[in-house]
Amino acid sequence: GAVVSQHPSRVICKSGTSVKIECRSLDFQATTMFWYRQFPKQSLMLMATSNEGSKATYEQGVEKDKFLINHASLTLSTLTVTSAHPEDSSFYICSARDFMTGHNTDTQYFGPGTRLTVL
Amino acid sequence: QKEVEQDPGPLSVPEGAIVSLNCTYSNSAFQYFMWYRQYSRKGPELLMYTYSSGNKEDGRFTAQVDKSSKYISLFIRDSQPSDSATYLCAMKENYGQNFVFGPGTRLSVLP
Repeated sequence: GAVVSQHPSRVICKSGTSVKIECRSLDFQATTMFWYRQFPKQSLMLMATSNEGSKATYEQGVEKDKFLINHASLTLSTLTVTSAHPEDSSFYICSARDFMTGHNTDTQYFGPGTRLTVL
Repeated sequence: QKEVEQDPGPLSVPEGAIVSLNCTYSNSAFQYFMWYRQYSRKGPELLMYTYSSGNKEDGRFTAQVDKSSKYISLFIRDSQPSDSATYLCAMKENYGQNFVFGPGTRLSVLP
């Protein structure tokens, strides 16, 4: 299957600092990438949908000024958590959409996740 | 009623058992159906992918889609302790970017 990488895998930062997480599709081009948040033993929570070259679409309740998403190329999307606070500590997972018109292919491949701890 | 429902488990089975994981859904427009496996503290891994109805087999895994009943299943044969994980179903319509995930079923395969 297709490979999506995510860096860093783990980050610890002080309250008030900003953290950037990178998501890359390694062997396919992804016009759409998704960012999720997951708390322990809970399901995925979609934060935003990012389309290459345009502004991200945020889910209700997600602060777009706090979670900055940039999708500058077909293989890279970044999530920046600005002015992080302890309540932002969570597991953040990105995914890349693999879509081929006329091939009945439309699925997502996930990155390995980033564990953010804000002290 | 949630758009996709899935028994949260946990489901515990002995090693070697056949496991059946299921999802029901309400949106008859769903055409793409996926099963993901997620180990603790890892991102979900795509296991099986089906377009429209029918069965698909890959090794010990079989995915079934019954659109008339709005019901999909994942069967795991000869289950192994390494299959212990949370299994997520996901679905999508033909158009748009909206993927809908089930809440996941936690499976434990006991040696």
